Amino acid sequence: DTAVSQTPKYLVTQMGNDKSIKCEQNLGHDTMYWYKQDSKKFLKIMFSYNNKELIINETVPNRFSPKSPDKAHLNLHINSLELGDSAVYFCASSQGGVGEAFFGQGTRLTVV
Amino acid sequence: AQSVSQHNHHVILSEAASLELGCNYSYGGTVNLFWYVQYPGQHLQLLLKYFSGDPLVKGIKGFEAEFIKSKFSFNLRKPSVQWSDTAEYFCAVIPFNTGGFKTIFGAGTRLFVKA
Repeated sequence: DTAVSQTPKYLVTQMGNDKSIKCEQNLGHDTMYWYKQDSKKFLKIMFSYNNKELIINETVPNRFSPKSPDKAHLNLHINSLELGDSAVYFCASSQGGVGEAFFGQGTRLTVV
Repeated sequence: AQSVSQHNHHVILSEAASLELGCNYSYGGTVNLFWYVQYPGQHLQLLLKYFSGDPLVKGIKGFEAEFIKSKFSFNLRKPSVQWSDTAEYFCAVIPFNTGGFKTIFGAGTRLFVKA
């Protein structure tokens, strides 16, 4: 019974396309996140949502648009994909904004 | 700039060797501290955390970490590593002075344990 699940696991697409990644958590947490992990394994926060409200937008290009339809879901839509968007994207959740995060399995996005 | 620094990018050890991975942060005030582990091809999992109280915290799989406030450090230790400990280890900080909702990760330390 996966706590934080994201789909798809792999995504290969051409430059200029638009794609979405979905995330769901069944932990009852009120806070969800998107992180980007680059090829050197460096993890950087992109967005934080608390009770469906955007709390943190870490200077991410506006081609990236998160959407939280409810507390259990946080989706990420990316417009006009660029080569530099290739990375592993992790969804995570926590209870409140200062607790441990539970991570999904990651989505490996490759833009060709 | 405020940051989380991990001293070693790559560590290679033989089985049964002792491990210590350094982590320093530069945020003032109250912080919550974490070590996460990422096994090859998998997601991040929590190893241990420090919020308050005893500065020596124990985590899963025999790992422990010590918070030294005066040194802004939170080093990870394990007395005897196993081959299955091969993974990437991330130190992470949530600084309260930014309001929370943002975990800042170090660059990671890749540990390889030789059988």
